[in-house]
Amino acid sequence: GAVVSQHPSRVICKSGTSVKIECRSLDFQATTMFWYRQFPKQSLMLMATSNEGSKATYEQGVEKDKFLINHASLTLSTLTVTSAHPEDSSFYICSARDWTSSYEQFFGPGTRLTVL
Amino acid sequence: AQTVTQSQPEMSVQEAETVTLSCTYDTSENNYYLFWYKQPPSRQMILVIRQEAYKQQNATENRFSVNFQKAAKSFSLKISDSQLGDTAMYFCAFMSRLGGGGADGLTFGKGTHLIIQP
Repeated sequence: GAVVSQHPSRVICKSGTSVKIECRSLDFQATTMFWYRQFPKQSLMLMATSNEGSKATYEQGVEKDKFLINHASLTLSTLTVTSAHPEDSSFYICSARDWTSSYEQFFGPGTRLTVL
Repeated sequence: AQTVTQSQPEMSVQEAETVTLSCTYDTSENNYYLFWYKQPPSRQMILVIRQEAYKQQNATENRFSVNFQKAAKSFSLKISDSQLGDTAMYFCAFMSRLGGGGADGLTFGKGTHLIIQP
């Protein structure tokens, strides 16, 4: 099956620093990738949709200047949390859509971000 | 905007029993997909089953089946012969089907924590 990886799996950073999370589709080309955020014991919330070679589309309430998304190739999307604060601590999950499928999204294993 | 509601925060059943998780949704669209995802303690999201809105036949995958009632906007998941490995969070999710065949992001319900007791 299709595999999506995320790196790092866990990251701890100091308040005010920036953190980059990578999402890779390992065995398929992903024209679209999605970034979700999951707080403890809560559901996943869509943050943004990332299309290869174009600007990301952010959901209402998500600060585009704080959560920078880049989708430079068909296998890689990155999420950079800029000037991180403790309230940004969360579990970030990406998913990727195979360009041959109209519906299926494959999820990465997630990244736990802790901001001290 | 779409909303997905799961009214059961937690359910617990004995191994081998059948359990039904409920999900309702609200949308003005006619063409969409519905999904059930499983999230075990590892946090990896696993697709359990999907339903295309234009199909009247309920989807089934081995021990998992759905009861899709489009008019009522209801999409429940039935797990038969439940197993200890079924213990997990279960999320119901909605996805629009764009006109060009493309896909949108997923809108998730709040989830149901299912516990299978030995």
